Amino acid sequence: GQNIDQPTEMTATEGAIVQINCTYQTSGFNGLFWYQQHAGEAPTFLSYNVLDGLEEKGRFSSFLSRSKGYSYLLLKELQMKDSASYLCAAHNAGNMLTFGGGTRLMVKP
Amino acid sequence: EPEVTQTPSHQVTQMGQEVILRCVPISNHLYFYWYRQILGQKVEFLVSFYNNEISEKSEIFDDQFSVERPDGSNFTLKIRSTKLEDSAMYFCAVRLRDRGNNEQFFGPGTRLTVL
Repeated sequence: GQNIDQPTEMTATEGAIVQINCTYQTSGFNGLFWYQQHAGEAPTFLSYNVLDGLEEKGRFSSFLSRSKGYSYLLLKELQMKDSASYLCAAHNAGNMLTFGGGTRLMVKP
Repeated sequence: EPEVTQTPSHQVTQMGQEVILRCVPISNHLYFYWYRQILGQKVEFLVSFYNNEISEKSEIFDDQFSVERPDGSNFTLKIRSTKLEDSAMYFCAVRLRDRGNNEQFFGPGTRLTVL
């Protein structure tokens, strides 16, 4: 079966760094997506990891370990507008995405 | 970012009625998808569409659902005889031909409310 786990909620302070973890157990794994979703809106693409290691894109970085079934999203220099849900999704051989339940991040002043 | 439009933005229907949700993806898409998200829950895959036919579907996508491409550009998701539990946001998404990272772009969604 497919199983994606991530924390339900996290709180962090403006200007700080936060790491959102995701573990997955899926069949036919191709890669790992991270999406951002503000309340009532569609998911928007943040990153896609295929190979092990860290990918950096501005304030956001994403890490993947295929052997451990583990990924994290790192957000630096947090801003209030980063308050949103962050969705971890496994890309499977059938080209579909299997999403985790999302981590709701609250950034406080 | 590529534009994917969906209509209507909000649909209210009575239980047992049929609804048709529409999506207009940009022209150079490779794959087309429908997802749903029940309020407060995770995004769930429904169906993928490639080369004018269904390529994969989930257990959720039963005989109540159908997907069509009625005029060569728009995609529709039809839900026959809606149930209360069909109330959700329905997102279409596309994967583009010229993006090697398999990124899926989501439309703004249709909020379906079944009364």
